[in-house]
Amino acid sequence: GENVEQHPSTLSVQEGDSAVIKCTYSDSASNYFPWYKQELGKGPQLIIDIRSNVGEKKDQRIAVTLNKTAKHFSLHITETQPEDSAVYFCAAIGSGSARQLTFGSGTQLTVLP
Amino acid sequence: DAGITQSPRHKVTETGTPVTLRCHQTENHRYMYWYRQDPGHGLRLIHYSYGVKDTDKGEVSDGYSVSRSKTEDFLLTLESATSSQTSVYFCAISESPSSGEKLFFGSGTQLSVL
Repeated sequence: GENVEQHPSTLSVQEGDSAVIKCTYSDSASNYFPWYKQELGKGPQLIIDIRSNVGEKKDQRIAVTLNKTAKHFSLHITETQPEDSAVYFCAAIGSGSARQLTFGSGTQLTVLP
Repeated sequence: DAGITQSPRHKVTETGTPVTLRCHQTENHRYMYWYRQDPGHGLRLIHYSYGVKDTDKGEVSDGYSVSRSKTEDFLLTLESATSSQTSVYFCAISESPSSGEKLFFGSGTQLSVL
């Protein structure tokens, strides 16, 4: 099945700086890659997703890039703010008939004021 | 979280007892999922449903069963709880016609098995 690895596990940045979180996946047939943000005590929330026929997608301060050849995708957050502090999860859907999400282990992002 | 409710929010139980967690949605979505979240493992799929009485196993289904007798309710049962099932359990729903896409999660149930 699909295997998703996520790095780093923790990341601290100064307010206003950029943050980058990277994920690699194992199944070359994977075609859907979402990112979820989880605030303390809440369920994960979808913030952006990308399909394999697109190399980059942006939504205001958030962007995701996908490199199918290298089988990795990244989340970029620009002009970070304290409210960006949360745990971020990447995920991928493998090629199996069930088409279920496999999640990375998460990145704790802390934005320092 | 609008449209999806998990109950109970917290549960403490003893090893060997049965436990049922409930997920209720008001969105009439086809797909419903149960995940567990443990430190260092992200979220792992336990079971999912693609319609009334239509369910299938996920990555970590051993020791769990599910039922979906109505579109709005998806129940997760631990037949005989073990300490390894101490975890945070999340239910999710999806409006997407494609399984696994655009999940909307509930607030979670913290389960402790002593």
